[in-house]
Amino acid sequence: EDQVTQSPEALRLQEGESSSLNCSYTVSGLRGLFWYRQDPGKGPEFLFTLYSAGEEKEKERLKATLTKKESFLHITAPKPEDSATYLCAVTGDSNSGYALNFGKGTSLLVTP
Amino acid sequence: KAGVTQTPRYLIKTRGQQVTLSCSPISGHRSVSWYQQTPGQGLQFLFEYFSETQRNKGNFPGRFSGRQFSNSRSEMNVSTLELGDSALYLCASSYGQAQETQYFGPGTRLLVL
Repeated sequence: EDQVTQSPEALRLQEGESSSLNCSYTVSGLRGLFWYRQDPGKGPEFLFTLYSAGEEKEKERLKATLTKKESFLHITAPKPEDSATYLCAVTGDSNSGYALNFGKGTSLLVTP
Repeated sequence: KAGVTQTPRYLIKTRGQQVTLSCSPISGHRSVSWYQQTPGQGLQFLFEYFSETQRNKGNFPGRFSGRQFSNSRSEMNVSTLELGDSALYLCASSYGQAQETQYFGPGTRLLVL
């Protein structure tokens, strides 16, 4: 069965203090790995899609990387507005690539 | 381009009632997926529709059902509501090819009393 585990569950950073969030996955035939950001009471907002090991994508202070077993979301010099829950999800051959299998998320708090 | 829209945004029902939630996908998107989000279980896949056909279904009881119309708009229905059905119900849309990015709506917050 496909499994996605995110760590840590919660992370508190000072503004400007860089860090990384981890997403470990077990999936039969990875089709895609997705990162989303979710603010309280809102729907997930798309950040990145990664398809193969070695792939990297960047957007402002965020950079996502992918290996055969895990993905990292690196946050460089975060600001308070980066505070949110970051969700990782995968699609695989077991559901024909149509259903996102989510981890429980990492709740990030960035303090001034 | 307008994003995914969901109605209503908030809903309060009592046990035993039924509820219908609506989702309008991004223009041009033909796939609509539904997810349930709760604090304990996180985000869980309910089902996915493409061209009015259910292509994939998650592990939920038959009380949860859905449909898609010819304009790609989708509805999901929950019958005989239980307290445990209280959750944020999220709809996501994509063009419909496997492993494509899904874009989420704001969700419908359902409270069952």
